[in-house]
Amino acid sequence: GQQLNQSPQSMFIQEGEDVSMNCTSSSIFNTWLWYKQDPGEGPVLLIALYKAGELTSNGRLTAQFGITRKDSFLNISASIPSDVGIYFCAAPDSNYQLIWGAGTKLIIKP
Amino acid sequence: EPEVTQTPSHQVTQMGQEVILRCVPISNHLYFYWYRQILGQKVEFLVSFYNNEISEKSEIFDDQFSVERPDGSNFTLKIRSTKLEDSAMYFCASSWDRVDYEQYFGPGTRLTVT
Repeated sequence: GQQLNQSPQSMFIQEGEDVSMNCTSSSIFNTWLWYKQDPGEGPVLLIALYKAGELTSNGRLTAQFGITRKDSFLNISASIPSDVGIYFCAAPDSNYQLIWGAGTKLIIKP
Repeated sequence: EPEVTQTPSHQVTQMGQEVILRCVPISNHLYFYWYRQILGQKVEFLVSFYNNEISEKSEIFDDQFSVERPDGSNFTLKIRSTKLEDSAMYFCASSWDRVDYEQYFGPGTRLTVT
């Protein structure tokens, strides 16, 4: 079946650093979504992308919909402690079911 | 700001028992969803619901699962005879539209089957 591959699996970062993560697939998708999940809570939608090549920002977050429609990237600039959590990419299949990546866990170095 | 709520936050049940997980979606939303997340794993789609019927369901959503909107506000997931492997976080979500995929998630119910 269709799968989304997220990398890296986890990241240790210093406060103030920029962060990049990506999500790839062998399948083409028409929508890419990025969610963040804090411990013990439900995922929260960060950015939704609907058009190939689209670059969308939400504060310090910027996401891009890859031109091939097989990938998407999320960047976080000047990370702060509250950025820790798990970031998931998701995309709907032809039956409108959301397929999810395995997540990228962001950890701030002490 | 409107939000999706779920009760209970944690449910412990014995294998073979029936459980009902409850959700109150955002009031003007039309589409409702249940997802499952086994500890440390990815989120998995279970079912979507629109206009008082199931729109789509995944392979996970077998005959032991059912959903219902018993009144104008609640949306429930019933697991008829729980198994150990049903232990997971169950998230309810709702959206105004299906095609914009801007789904809002509740805080989840942690189900522990012993």
